[in-house]
Amino acid sequence: ELKVEQNPLFLSMQEGKNYTIYCNYSTTSDRLYWYRQDPGKSLESLFVLLSNGAVKQEGRLMASLDTKARLSTLHITAAVHDLSATYFCAVDIASNFGNEKLTFGTGTRLTIIP
Amino acid sequence: KAGVTQTPRYLIKTRGQQVTLSCSPISGHRSVSWYQQTPGQGLQFLFEYFSETQRNKGNFPGRFSGRQFSNSRSEMNVSTLELGDSALYLCASSFMGSRGVYNEQFFGPGTRLTVL
Repeated sequence: ELKVEQNPLFLSMQEGKNYTIYCNYSTTSDRLYWYRQDPGKSLESLFVLLSNGAVKQEGRLMASLDTKARLSTLHITAAVHDLSATYFCAVDIASNFGNEKLTFGTGTRLTIIP
Repeated sequence: KAGVTQTPRYLIKTRGQQVTLSCSPISGHRSVSWYQQTPGQGLQFLFEYFSETQRNKGNFPGRFSGRQFSNSRSEMNVSTLELGDSALYLCASSFMGSRGVYNEQFFGPGTRLTVL
């Protein structure tokens, strides 16, 4: 059974600081997704990482994937208040049909403190 | 292009009742997946439909069921509701599921179900 672990679960950061969220998974997979969720809202896709060594950046967020270590990181640079949200990583297992069955991590609730 | 829509957005039921939730995928998308989100269990996969057939199923009791219509719209049904079924139910659609091919999933706004 695929397990996906995120840490930390909660993260309070001061504006302007850098930090990293970690996502470990237990079974070989080369598809890793990062989502953002604001309170009471749905999931917003941030990054899709499809190969070992993939790195993607959008604004102050950068995600990377190491399939050999079964590890993905979401790095936050110079945090701003607008980044306060819950971040999820998700993994799918290559199956007969594609990627329609995602296993999500526990989520990291990020709070940016002025 | 319209996104994934879910109805109703909010629902309050009592224990023992049943409920039906609806999901309309993005036009042209043939795969619809359902997820349950609770504070205790997080986001969990329920099931996935493609061309009116259930292809994947998560570890949920038989009280949870679903179906997909020829226009790709999907419904999920929960019978004999329990307090623990209170959750945000999210559906996601993707273009098609081909072996080994990545298809991005787009999530709807969710249906917030409260069981009293």
